[in-house]
Amino acid sequence: DTAVSQTPKYLVTQMGNDKSIKCEQNLGHDTMYWYKQDSKKFLKIMFSYNNKELIINETVPNRFSPKSPDKAHLNLHINSLELGDSAVYFCASSRNRGNEQFFGPGTRLTVL
Amino acid sequence: AQTVTQSQPEMSVQEAETVTLSCTYDTSENNYYLFWYKQPPSRQMILVIRQEAYKQQNATENRFSVNFQKAAKSFSLKISDSQLGDTAMYFCAFMKANSGTYKYIFGTGTRLKVLA
Repeated sequence: DTAVSQTPKYLVTQMGNDKSIKCEQNLGHDTMYWYKQDSKKFLKIMFSYNNKELIINETVPNRFSPKSPDKAHLNLHINSLELGDSAVYFCASSRNRGNEQFFGPGTRLTVL
Repeated sequence: AQTVTQSQPEMSVQEAETVTLSCTYDTSENNYYLFWYKQPPSRQMILVIRQEAYKQQNATENRFSVNFQKAAKSFSLKISDSQLGDTAMYFCAFMKANSGTYKYIFGTGTRLKVLA
């Protein structure tokens, strides 16, 4: 009965590769998010989708592309991975106009 | 733009004692929400407590309570009867109400260690 799930939990890859992280929520929420947590633990919003529509797109390299096939899924695709992309990526969801976000377990991405 | 400041990068407390984590924020908004999230070593982000800015009463959840001072833009978290399981990173977060985007602005976190 996992609320927000992400796959994979760990991802180790070489510079220059393309990778995807998947996120699914079974809470019936309308809004989903991607956050990046860097090595100093700082959390920053990257993207948000509401009912499959992009509503937040912070200053993120265009190598990062979110995709929402339906409102229960928000995937993150990263092209041409760089060393600086190494971080933990968190997916989250919330009810439309709700004020609590539920987080997934995070995906630790390591770029070598 | 809103900012959230947590001025204590690390703190420690003896088991069963009380500790207070500080958070200040800067905003020109009148309606907003404030949160404290806990991130234990497992990495999972867990909501500890939330406060609506229009409510003057401080939120309380069991051993966790906040001191919300709207005029001072301060939102501290008090943990009473600290337990070893409280060891974690604690993040303060701000969200503007009725913004249509619902995004959190996080502070830089406070690493809390509860000592046996």
